[in-house]
Amino acid sequence: EVQLVQSGAEVKKPGESLRISCKGSGYSFTSYWISWVRQMPGKGLEWMGRIDPSDSYTNYSPSFQGHVTISADKSISTAYLQWSSLKASDTAMYYCARHPSRDGAVAVDMDVWGKGTTVTVSS
Amino acid sequence: SYELTQPPSVSVSPGQTARITCSGDALPKKYAYWYQQKSGQAPVLVIYEDSKRPSGIPERFSGSSSGTMATLTISGAQVEDEADYYCYSTDSSGNHSVFGTGTKVTVL
Repeated sequence: EVQLVQSGAEVKKPGESLRISCKGSGYSFTSYWISWVRQMPGKGLEWMGRIDPSDSYTNYSPSFQGHVTISADKSISTAYLQWSSLKASDTAMYYCARHPSRDGAVAVDMDVWGKGTTVTVSS
Repeated sequence: SYELTQPPSVSVSPGQTARITCSGDALPKKYAYWYQQKSGQAPVLVIYEDSKRPSGIPERFSGSSSGTMATLTISGAQVEDEADYYCYSTDSSGNHSVFGTGTKVTVL
């Protein structure tokens, strides 16, 4: 079964650093891009950026460029989303999701999603 | 930055047809995709490449796109279709993806 298993909920203080993870299983991890999506409490979905795990090429939304870092360790089939200095406004649910391959090319959309990681930033 | 605009809410009676629109300047050249998100759950893809339905998605879900507007249609809406629906696409460069503002569908 194809799965993306995300790390558990985090409670942090402003200014702290954080890295959350997304482990793929049941498929060839390096063959499918991974995106991260934010959902703030009671709000809509926001695409943050994506990574090609085969070479760690990344592409960020202008809204998130410079605020987060997306990385991957293909040896353990895991993608990461990290912050160097959290803010209260980073409080949200974060989803990772896999881009399918269609007609031999990486698709724009995401077909398999993790269950999400809740990040709470509060003093 | 690029935006996709949806109506905040749509209400429909069971068995009736719900239509959700998504407006974006790049839609004439870029595909639209649709996600369903039920409360407390991860999103689920219900339409890809404007009008294609993934395996396992009921036939009552259909999609279309014309000009700068894409539409998700739920024909014969069921109570279990109550959810938030998001369109999704990319900007004209294809480098940056974006979700629509979201539409809450109520079936009652």
